[in-house]
Amino acid sequence: EAGVAQSPRYKIIEKRQSVAFWCNPISGHATLYWYQQILGQGPKLLIQFQNNGVVDDSQLPKDRFSAERLKGVDSTLKIQPAKLEDSAVYLCASSPVTSGRGDKQFFGPGTRLTVL
Amino acid sequence: AQKITQTQPGMFVQEKEAVTLDCTYDTSDQSYGLFWYKQPSSGEMIFLIYQGSYDEQNATEGRYSLNFQKARKSANLVISASQLGDSAMYFCAMREANTDKLIFGTGTRLQVFP
Repeated sequence: EAGVAQSPRYKIIEKRQSVAFWCNPISGHATLYWYQQILGQGPKLLIQFQNNGVVDDSQLPKDRFSAERLKGVDSTLKIQPAKLEDSAVYLCASSPVTSGRGDKQFFGPGTRLTVL
Repeated sequence: AQKITQTQPGMFVQEKEAVTLDCTYDTSDQSYGLFWYKQPSSGEMIFLIYQGSYDEQNATEGRYSLNFQKARKSANLVISASQLGDSAMYFCAMREANTDKLIFGTGTRLQVFP
């Protein structure tokens, strides 16, 4: 079974530029998550999709971050314009169902973003 | 608000020895879930073990066990017979009640030496 795919793996941009990340979840997984992991910290949830609808985006900086999940499969996360503090690893995860007691989230390898 | 605390920034253990990684949590919810993930240098978060708040037995998965002490709000990970490949960051996480949202601690870097 293929895991969660993300691209690109690395991205370096200058501040005020825009950037987009792509995620392909495990086939059949209804729920998709985007996390931000700043160096030295644990991941922080940015947004959660159930199929193609947003379940939780309370911690997404909506003035600069946007995300979509067309057709309930692939997802893109965009930052426009980027700031220095956006430098982080962006992790995508998926899970088969929501609110299952022990349903674990499967993570992709992440995209490491450096903003100069 | 829910919070996860991992007080050990780094731990060293010799190969084949056991090691305990500490995790305490804070929540007012009665129903919650606790997870441990491993993050090697490649960056991917790998699920290790899960404990539900109503589970009476401590969870075990191979060489991993979770020492769950509900009254003390602790969920320590025990790795038995450490291997060189266990060297990685380890994160404790909690699932909020009635959601899928995971709250992570700051992690513990484990280094296994020969």
